[in-house]
Amino acid sequence: AQSVTQLGSHVSVSEGALVLLRCNYSSSVPPYLFWYVQYPNQGLQLLLKYTTGATLVKGINGFEAEFKKSETSFHLTKPSAHMSDAAEYFCAVKDDYKLSFGAGTTVTVRA
Amino acid sequence: GAGVSQTPSNKVTEKGKYVELRCDPISGHTALYWYRQSLGQGPEFLIYFQGTGAADDSGLPNDRFFAVRPEGSVSTLKIQRTERGDSAVYLCASSSRGGEQFFGPGTRLTVL
Repeated sequence: AQSVTQLGSHVSVSEGALVLLRCNYSSSVPPYLFWYVQYPNQGLQLLLKYTTGATLVKGINGFEAEFKKSETSFHLTKPSAHMSDAAEYFCAVKDDYKLSFGAGTTVTVRA
Repeated sequence: GAGVSQTPSNKVTEKGKYVELRCDPISGHTALYWYRQSLGQGPEFLIYFQGTGAADDSGLPNDRFFAVRPEGSVSTLKIQRTERGDSAVYLCASSSRGGEQFFGPGTRLTVL
């Protein structure tokens, strides 16, 4: 079965600083990888996804992620954090039709 | 257009009671999924419908859990003899076949 591991359950950054959220995957086949964001009392919203092709994927709200097969990683970055980025972020891998999620990383942004 | 909706948004029940959670998918989406998100964890897959039939129910934790989708649209997740460990947020998602999954806001279930 495919799985993902998110390193760090909580990340705190200053407004304007780099946001880096780490995700490593385990998969015996080329993976389909996703990052979702969850704001309080809301459902999951897709930030970006990697299926095939270009390994640097750009998503919404200025986020991007790079698929690195050699490192089995799919880390999420944003060059400059905004207060509105405070939320919980989930990395996920698609196993046929079902998604397997990491435990999540909560991001807080300091003014 | 309207997204995935779930009702109720919150449900508080007592141990041993029966509950039903409803999901209205995006119109035209043939696939529907239920996930459960326990506190401090990521969502975990419960069941997947393609049309009216449950194509994969391997994530249902035990036989107290059951889900239906009789007309291939609305789905109901049913939990019998609820236990405190069932407390979680239950998420529903829908998609076109093989497409992106769109999630609803979830139902927060609390079993006292």
